[in-house]
Amino acid sequence: RKEVEQDPGPFNVPEGATVAFNCTYSNSASQSFFWYRQDCRKEPKLLMSVYSSGNEDGRFTAQLNRASQYISLLIRDSKLSDSATYLCVVNAGGGGGYNKLIFGAGTRLAVHP
Amino acid sequence: GAVVSQHPSRVICKSGTSVKIECRSLDFQATTMFWYRQFPKQSLMLMATSNEGSKATYEQGVEKDKFLINHASLTLSTLTVTSAHPEDSSFYICSARGPLEGGEETQYFGPGTRLLVL
Repeated sequence: RKEVEQDPGPFNVPEGATVAFNCTYSNSASQSFFWYRQDCRKEPKLLMSVYSSGNEDGRFTAQLNRASQYISLLIRDSKLSDSATYLCVVNAGGGGGYNKLIFGAGTRLAVHP
Repeated sequence: GAVVSQHPSRVICKSGTSVKIECRSLDFQATTMFWYRQFPKQSLMLMATSNEGSKATYEQGVEKDKFLINHASLTLSTLTVTSAHPEDSSFYICSARGPLEGGEETQYFGPGTRLLVL
């Protein structure tokens, strides 16, 4: 089983649509969770951290369910510029100090006019 | 925000040659840098953790003698792919453990190096 699993997509949605991505992780000791965005042939860029209480940044809302080891990202009012691959990222957890990041393979989003 | 640069951005080489990739933190000191590799349509895979002034820690399955890492200063880490072969062709990305933002540890990624071995 992969440590971080995501639906690869692609999700093809029209502008203005609401789209949701899900992610599950296997390590119950993980403490930090993130969504990154990666454009084609570019490096990943941090979109937002994910907190236990859920958090929102503009059109983006992230939620965490520790009991189910499940993370979600909701994008409202999709823009053409939102087209990218969204990476679910979890820290390895379980050790003292800084833990390495584990990346999901990503969910591809294509927003069309 | 913190900036990480990588050089070169793209390299094409013949099989058997060695390729060196540099990763620099431009406006902060990075005691820890990470090297990742990403094959098409796959996730980033951590290859090794590079600590300034000490030996790198390699992930399982990554050959330390093939992927040489040097982190001689707080702003520079290098990855050398020795005797590169076509199967080493990939997107190599470094990141640096950066200053806290909002109380959280953050990794800042370089723009990546695309390696093609013929």
